[in-house]
Amino acid sequence: EVQLVESGGGLVQPGRSLRLSCAASGFTFDDYAMHWVRQAPGKGLEWVSGISWNSGSIGYADSVKGRFTISRDNAKNSLYLQMNSLRAEDTALYYCAKVRTWELLPMLFDYWGQGTLVTVSS
Amino acid sequence: DIQMTQSPSTLSASVGDRVTITCRASQSISSWLAWYQQKPGKAPKLLIYKASSLESGVPSRFSGSGSGTEFTLTISSLQPDDFATYYCQQYNSYPAFGQGTKVEIK
Repeated sequence: EVQLVESGGGLVQPGRSLRLSCAASGFTFDDYAMHWVRQAPGKGLEWVSGISWNSGSIGYADSVKGRFTISRDNAKNSLYLQMNSLRAEDTALYYCAKVRTWELLPMLFDYWGQGTLVTVSS
Repeated sequence: DIQMTQSPSTLSASVGDRVTITCRASQSISSWLAWYQQKPGKAPKLLIYKASSLESGVPSRFSGSGSGTEFTLTISSLQPDDFATYYCQQYNSYPAFGQGTKVEIK
């Protein structure tokens, strides 16, 4: 059974940093690209970032480019999101999501974690 | 960037009703369209991919159609478990989601 478990969320002040983690199990992690998708409270879904199976291809939404860094450790079956210079508008539930391919595209999300909440507030 | 527009934003329906949700893309995405269902407090669940392919385990009352810029999700006979929010997503390029359609009890 595919499982994606996010962690690392919390309350953080504007301008500070936070690192999210996603622990994957139930599938061959290094066969697939992985992504982060977020959802602000009461709002819709927004793709944040994605990384190919070997970290060779990486993409970011314009809203986080230059502030967020995605990475993965295939030996630990883990995905990460380093978030710097956080803003109030980054407040959201952050989901880790698996796709069906090893490359960045196409981004069809077939499994999602339950999310970790990031709140940016002073 | 490709924009996705769903309509309606909210839909009130009764159990047994046939329900249709529309999704329009700002430019052609061929058939690179997916539909997700999200219930309160839960992660999205993939229902339909490639515009009309039913994900494994999804009831056959769900169907998708369309290509190019116009797509529909149809629930042939609404069940109590189907009251949720539905999102379309293009995955032809960096993904964009529609704003969601909430299906609520009439």
